[in-house]
Amino acid sequence: AQSVTQPDIHITVSEGASLELRCNYSYGATPYLFWYVQSPGQGLQLLLKYFSGDTLVQGIKGFEAEFKRSQSSFNLRKPSVHWSDAAEYFCAVGPNAGNNRKLIWGLGTSLAVNP
Amino acid sequence: ETGVTQSPTHLIKTRGQQVTLRCSSQSGHNTVSWYQQALGQGPQFIFQYYREEENGRGNFPPRFSGLQFPNYSSELNVNALELDDSALYLCASSLAGGNTGELFFGEGSRLTVL
Repeated sequence: AQSVTQPDIHITVSEGASLELRCNYSYGATPYLFWYVQSPGQGLQLLLKYFSGDTLVQGIKGFEAEFKRSQSSFNLRKPSVHWSDAAEYFCAVGPNAGNNRKLIWGLGTSLAVNP
Repeated sequence: ETGVTQSPTHLIKTRGQQVTLRCSSQSGHNTVSWYQQALGQGPQFIFQYYREEENGRGNFPPRFSGLQFPNYSSELNVNALELDDSALYLCASSLAGGNTGELFFGEGSRLTVL
């Protein structure tokens, strides 16, 4: 079955610390992978996406993610977290770039940032 | 560039009632998707509209219906509301054929069913 797993429901980090949010997927075909962020009271915003090519992708707000096919993972990282990064983070996978209606979403990881 | 806007932002209904949620897509986008996000869950795909026709549907009953208008704005209608329909309803617009896969979301309409 196709699925996306975000193992960490909630993570708390100190401001300035590094961050890694995990995403594992089960997908029959070559997946297209996305990370979205949902800040309180706001809609979801795309952080970054992977379609092909370099497995380390850069996104907005200083985030990056690495696609590891052997581990079926697409973990999100940031070297130094800012208080404004506190939000809900969602990983999603789909069959191809244009078919966004078939995205499968994880349950999300809630990030809290301590001052 | 105008982003995706949704209305109303919050509403309360009782079981059995009907609700209509509205969405204006981002300028230049011709495709609108609707998602239901229950508390503590990821978004669940309801359906997508392209050129005023339904273009894919998730696992939702027929009492969830929609419309897309010539200006690409959209409505989500839910009939015979149930308690489990309480959720954040998200609208997302995109450009068909744009091949980026990116969805542009509104801030959502939070529906509470009592």
